Order: sequence, then C-alpha cells, then structure tokens
Amino acid sequence: DIQMTQSPSSLSASVGDRVTITCRASQSISIYLSWYHQRPGRAPKLLIYAASSLQSGVPSRFSGSGSGTDFTLTISSLQPEDFATYYCHQSYSTPQTFGQGTKVEIK
Amino acid sequence: QVQLVQSGAEVKKPGASVKVSCKASGHTFTGYYTHWVRQAPGQGPEWMGWINANSGDTKYAPKFQGRVTLTRDTSSSTAYMELSGLRSDDTALYYCARDGSHTAMSYFDYWGQGTLVTVSS
Repeated sequence: DIQMTQSPSSLSASVGDRVTITCRASQSISIYLSWYHQRPGRAPKLLIYAASSLQSGVPSRFSGSGSGTDFTLTISSLQPEDFATYYCHQSYSTPQTFGQGTKVEIK
Repeated sequence: QVQLVQSGAEVKKPGASVKVSCKASGHTFTGYYTHWVRQAPGQGPEWMGWINANSGDTKYAPKFQGRVTLTRDTSSSTAYMELSGLRSDDTALYYCARDGSHTAMSYFDYWGQGTLVTVSS
C-alpha cells in the first residue's frame, strides 16, 4: 500500500494567516493526488484534484502543488470557515489511501 | 443539484451483515463510478472500493476483499454496500461518494451524508 504522510498533524493559526500543509507519498504517484477538508460532523469536501486543479466553487485562496512524492496545499489567507481537518488522498494505485489528517485550529 | 442520500444508522451484532444504500439524484447515475469510504471515530477516511454504475464492474481494497460487496440498481439510481462478518472495529461512518473524474484518476466531488454502523454485542 502507498503510505501518505501529512505534516504537521495539527497547527494553530489566526484568521488571515498563510497556511501550508504537506503530504508525502511513500512512492511516486504522479499527480494522482486530491485534497479535502472536513468540518466536525460533516462529510469531507473536495478542494483540489490532480494535485493542483481547483474544484469548481472552491475559493481561490486554496491552491495545490507538487508531483511524484511531495505535495503541498496552501491557504493564502485563512478564513474562519477554514478551521477543519485536511486530508490528502492518492488514487494512483489500489488500495487508494488517505493521509492521517492535519487539524487546523484557531490560535 | 447532485445529491447522494444514504440509508439510516444501523446497529448490528458481531458476525452479522449490514447493507447500506446510497440513492443518487441530480446527475446521470450510470455516468459515474461510486466509491465507498469509511471513517472510524476520530480516524481518517479509509477507502473500501468502487463500482462502475454503468457496467457493474467493481474493485475492492484487499483489506475488505471477501467481506464487502458493492452492487447497484440502475432503475432506482441506487448503489449498495454490503459488509459481512462484522467486528467491533467495523464501527464507523460509511460514506458513498461520486467519482468526478472520467479518467484513471479518482476524486470525490460529491459525498453522501454518511451512515453510522455500530457493531456491538
């Protein structure tokens, strides 16, 4: 199985901060990488697919980059509704796997 | 608008089976793959498998092979996930999700609301 390792596992930030979350795959996954966030009690929501493509309707403050094994999700200016847990997901090989999550909390 | 509406919460005893439904609306059901993802309390998501809603072809995570069966009913635009041999560590929220990609890549652009399955003696 391809292991997806996110860092950090949690972070505290303020509204307006720039936030970066990284995801590392245990082997190359090309750009078969998507990002989701999940608020408590809700289903995950797609933010980025194909490593850097912004899902329709998602604010432009979210951006993704990377290919191969190293990927980054950046929030350019954190908003109150962005406090959530973020997950990366690879679909390069079966079984598809998710990272363990990065919890973004209010400072 | 695209919606995936899942069946209600279930409580099962160890060794039993559970079948969860996911009714799609607002899009052409047979034009997409449907995936199933579960999430244990306090844990990250775990992918279980997909079904091609058009052909009925399936692919399962090896961890669940032999215990999970994905089916669909195109007449009602409904996908089903049946998990057998339930154990306490199968207690989780089970989600269906639409695969928004029409390539070899998968990404989940719409999700059901989740179905809580509790396994307890």
